Amino acid sequence: GAGVSQSPSNKVTEKGKDVELRCDPISGHTALYWYRQSLGQGLEFLIYFQGNSAPDKSGLPSDRFSAERTGGSVSTLTIQRTQQEDSAVYLCASSLAPTGYGSTDTQYFGPGTRLTVL
Amino acid sequence: SQQGEEDPQALSIQEGENATMNCSYKTSINNLQWYRQNSGRGLVHLILIRSNEREKHSGRLRVTLDTSKKSSSLLITASRAADTASYFCATIGLNDYKLSFGAGTTVTVRA
Repeated sequence: GAGVSQSPSNKVTEKGKDVELRCDPISGHTALYWYRQSLGQGLEFLIYFQGNSAPDKSGLPSDRFSAERTGGSVSTLTIQRTQQEDSAVYLCASSLAPTGYGSTDTQYFGPGTRLTVL
Repeated sequence: SQQGEEDPQALSIQEGENATMNCSYKTSINNLQWYRQNSGRGLVHLILIRSNEREKHSGRLRVTLDTSKKSSSLLITASRAADTASYFCATIGLNDYKLSFGAGTTVTVRA
């Protein structure tokens, strides 16, 4: 079946503009994650959605970052007033079952969105 | 923040040779996973090993886990040019669900 998809694959924007990144998880997966990969910070967790529960936003680096997940499926990560340090590859992942603490469910990653802030 | 460190940072081997990379982590885990990344894009899941397991195999891959030393190793046997990629270990803590990644090992397989 189809994997996790993300759009756009590449996004170039000017400093100060807002951007929206989209993630379509694997159908039926209830857990959705956003991660960021940048040269200086490596791969880092941003936010986690699980079913109808309140999302875990503990990894968001600033209040310029927000995310939502509509209808338990598609998710959008929004970055307002982008800065050059926001340049990174933004990766989305999903996993099958409700993943509580100590999850052993495999997280399947999308191809990522490469964001460049000029 | 990074949970683990990987060693070496980069590895260059001849096709047909074995490649071994190591991962160390800091806190107790539920499981440890290895991922491959080509050309800085999507991560491909390779193998998951639970904290009560010591060794796992998948095709040409062999993973070991030593929870007493908080370390894991990934062995790729009979390497191929297509194995050229970056390899990341990632852990899920005892009371967690998010992956904490190491810095990765870049493997180059020369034809």
